[in-house]
Amino acid sequence: DAMVIQNPRYQVTQFGKPVTLSCSQTLNHNVMYWYQQKSSQAPKLLFHYYDKDFNNEADTPDNFQSRRPNTSFCFLDIRSPGLGDAAMYLCATSSDGTMQETQYFGPGTRLLVL
Amino acid sequence: AQSVAQPEDQVNVAEGNPLTVKCTYSVSGNPYLFWYVQYPNRGLQFLLKYITGDNLVKGSYGFEAEFNKSQTSFHLKKPSALVSDSALYFCAVRDIGPTDSWGKLQFGAGTQVVVTP
Repeated sequence: DAMVIQNPRYQVTQFGKPVTLSCSQTLNHNVMYWYQQKSSQAPKLLFHYYDKDFNNEADTPDNFQSRRPNTSFCFLDIRSPGLGDAAMYLCATSSDGTMQETQYFGPGTRLLVL
Repeated sequence: AQSVAQPEDQVNVAEGNPLTVKCTYSVSGNPYLFWYVQYPNRGLQFLLKYITGDNLVKGSYGFEAEFNKSQTSFHLKKPSALVSDSALYFCAVRDIGPTDSWGKLQFGAGTQVVVTP
């Protein structure tokens, strides 16, 4: 089945130690998104890629970076994780970014910062 | 900016009874409305969306939603709730971005549904 895959499902890192979360998709969608979700709150969009074009949300901290080496893969890099970065990180994709298109989410990676 | 509101933090319902999760929206122009469900420690699963056309939208797992333009509402409904429907439900609206053809999802705060046997 076509899907959005996130690895690992759980990630433990140390305060200040860089960490990378990965997302892959078999849907061949043009757009990939990264969201941060804390404590069953609404997901917060960090950034998205439309193909190779990177679009950062204005309030996303510089500590968060992303890479998309090809259509299928997208990575979230946290350069120096703080305790406040502990959260569920959700990857999503959509065929394009137009208003009517559905975003499909992966299972998420829960990040714990010690 | 477009927005949605979910007025109930939690909805409690007995198994077999009808389930309604409320959502109201505020938009300029045409609304593009979505419902997602999230089970514990999982990602969001798409249930249904309203783009245009029939006001009653049918979705996954027996859920449906009614778009009401005069009341600016998009309530999620299920005729007979199951214990397995216990989850966190998010209503979302597509916000208008830099161009009219693109926009990010604006989520409501979420409603926790608890279905008791």
